[in-house]
Amino acid sequence: DAKTTQPTSMDCAEGRAANLPCNHSTISGNEYVYWYRQIHSQGPQYIIHGLKNNETNEMASLIITEDRKSSTLILPHATLRDTAVYYCIVRVKVDNNDMRFGAGTRLTVKP
Amino acid sequence: GAGVSQSPSNKVTEKGKDVELRCDPISGHTALYWYRQRLGQGLEFLIYFQGNSAPDKSGLPSDRFSAERTGESVSTLTIQRTQQEDSAVYLCASSPRARGLIDTQYFGPGTRLTVL
Repeated sequence: DAKTTQPTSMDCAEGRAANLPCNHSTISGNEYVYWYRQIHSQGPQYIIHGLKNNETNEMASLIITEDRKSSTLILPHATLRDTAVYYCIVRVKVDNNDMRFGAGTRLTVKP
Repeated sequence: GAGVSQSPSNKVTEKGKDVELRCDPISGHTALYWYRQRLGQGLEFLIYFQGNSAPDKSGLPSDRFSAERTGESVSTLTIQRTQQEDSAVYLCASSPRARGLIDTQYFGPGTRLTVL
């Protein structure tokens, strides 16, 4: 699986958009980009995933660059409850059992 | 609907004792995963069950670790002769995996294991 690089930490003001970047320069054509988050003392929570096109759901938007070497997770109106560690993961194929989580980005939403 | 549940939520044990951790996946989810997360670190894959196929045990760190799953329901992770380095949060996840489809994994709250 391709490796990902994320900033260690980020701050965001409450009510503003949080933009979390992820670099995956060695991504293969059949690898999907997944985002999860882990709020303190809880299990990871699935947020969104995509292959080529930008995606949006009730939680967030995922913007993937045309060359697919990087992506950005956007939380449009961050709240204090969005404070968490956000993990960007790329997965090579549907039968890949091992979802490797790196260190992620610790997002702190401040009032 | 009900999510993935795990029990106990916390377990404190003495070094050398055996422990059993339980996971109840979401009903209908054919795939079940166990992960370990040490303090301040990312998730470490342990084992994967998919339907009636042989489990993928490639992530188990030693032969002290084993896991079973009854059909497509409950799973138990057993750690024998626990060591202090086994202290971690053990997370279970399930997914409605079907061959050919991209899945998402739904995680339980975890069991925090402390080995004294």
